[in-house]
Amino acid sequence: AQKITQTQPGMFVQEKEAVTLDCTYDTSDPSYGLFWYKQPSSGEMIFLIYQGSYDQQNATEGRYSLNFQKARKSANLVISASQLGDSAMYFCAMRQGGTSYGKLTFGQGTILTVHP
Amino acid sequence: KAGVTQTPRYLIKTRGQQVTLSCSPISGHRSVSWYQQTPGQGLQFLFEYFSETQRNKGNFPGRFSGRQFSNSRSEMNVSTLELGDSALYLCATSTGGTVQNTEAFFGQGTRLTVV
Repeated sequence: AQKITQTQPGMFVQEKEAVTLDCTYDTSDPSYGLFWYKQPSSGEMIFLIYQGSYDQQNATEGRYSLNFQKARKSANLVISASQLGDSAMYFCAMRQGGTSYGKLTFGQGTILTVHP
Repeated sequence: KAGVTQTPRYLIKTRGQQVTLSCSPISGHRSVSWYQQTPGQGLQFLFEYFSETQRNKGNFPGRFSGRQFSNSRSEMNVSTLELGDSALYLCATSTGGTVQNTEAFFGQGTRLTVV
């Protein structure tokens, strides 16, 4: 069964420093995609970054990078140079192949607080 | 390019009533998925529609239903509302919803309160 685990309920970081949010996943399907989303208090889910299981390189999008370790089944999000506006809930999600189609399975989320 | 639009943004209903939520996808997106988010259960998958057909369904009672129109807009309906249905309902859209598809963009959500 597919499962996403985010073990950090809350994280704190100083402004301008880097922070890593952990995500591990469990799947027996060789074909899958991993997503990270940011959810501010307004509720909308903002897409941050995507990593495919066959991608050879770690994904990067501006200040966001994904540390993809396939053998360990981990897909940690790294935010460099944190900003006050990065304070939000962050979700890791997985989309599998086969009959899952567009279904995303989410982790429990990590609340990130950026201190000035 | 317009984003995913969900209407209404907020809704207050009474137990026993029914409610219909709408999701208009990004132009060209044919896959629409619905999720329920509650503090206790987190984000849970309700169902997905692609080209007017439901092709995946989560573990929710039959009170939760949906449909998709030829323009890819989707609606979800909840009948006989219960207090536990109070949640943020989110829809996500993509071009095809296959695992190789790198997209899944969400709307701002509809916050439903059942009193």
